[in-house]
Amino acid sequence: DSGVTQTPKHLITATGQRVTLRCSPRSGDLSVYWYQQSLDQGLQFLIQYYNGEERAKGNILERFSAQQFPDLHSELNLSSLELGDSALYFCASSVEGHINTGELFFGEGSRLTVL
Amino acid sequence: AQSVTQPDIHITVSEGASLELRCNYSYGATPYLFWYVQSPGQGLQLLLKYFSGDTLVQGIKGFEAEFKRSQSSFNLRKPSVHWSDAAEYFCAVGRGSARQLTFGSGTQLTVLP
Repeated sequence: DSGVTQTPKHLITATGQRVTLRCSPRSGDLSVYWYQQSLDQGLQFLIQYYNGEERAKGNILERFSAQQFPDLHSELNLSSLELGDSALYFCASSVEGHINTGELFFGEGSRLTVL
Repeated sequence: AQSVTQPDIHITVSEGASLELRCNYSYGATPYLFWYVQSPGQGLQLLLKYFSGDTLVQGIKGFEAEFKRSQSSFNLRKPSVHWSDAAEYFCAVGRGSARQLTFGSGTQLTVLP
């Protein structure tokens, strides 16, 4: 158990819909990362938040957005869903600080299926 | 841009045999290198990491990896594989302090009894 909690574990929805994925980081971790894992694209970094502020952006579509709340949990919002958005979405957390910590702790993922 | 190549999509070994998973990276500076393992239905777990210093790093579950700058490689090894090692293994390179990881495409390991 990594200490990172993601909900829901599975989600099935239709094209054009909007969903929200939720992540609670490990206790004490200030950074939250979102990754997308799909068969064709592999594991891709989407976005990072640190203590409520966006820190870095990766290959995140404009239809997707995220935020981190004062209690440090994060939500990833996916809108106008397309079939190609079907994937496993991982949240990870880490203690930002000294550059040599380095380890990300991953949740078990939220599997999104768009029909 | 940084990139990671794992040339072996699938590897099959017998239990008790040695294992080497290959990883090559492309990065413009000193890389931060990682190996993660993903078991079915699970998230990714860190096996080991390299930032600097000794180029042979030890990880959990008996794994080790060697950083070879001249070959831009960070291969993962284990002297004797156990059936529980069957999983998918990802090599990753990190960038600076933002900890954004670029992952390889993964190597699926099957262990035969």
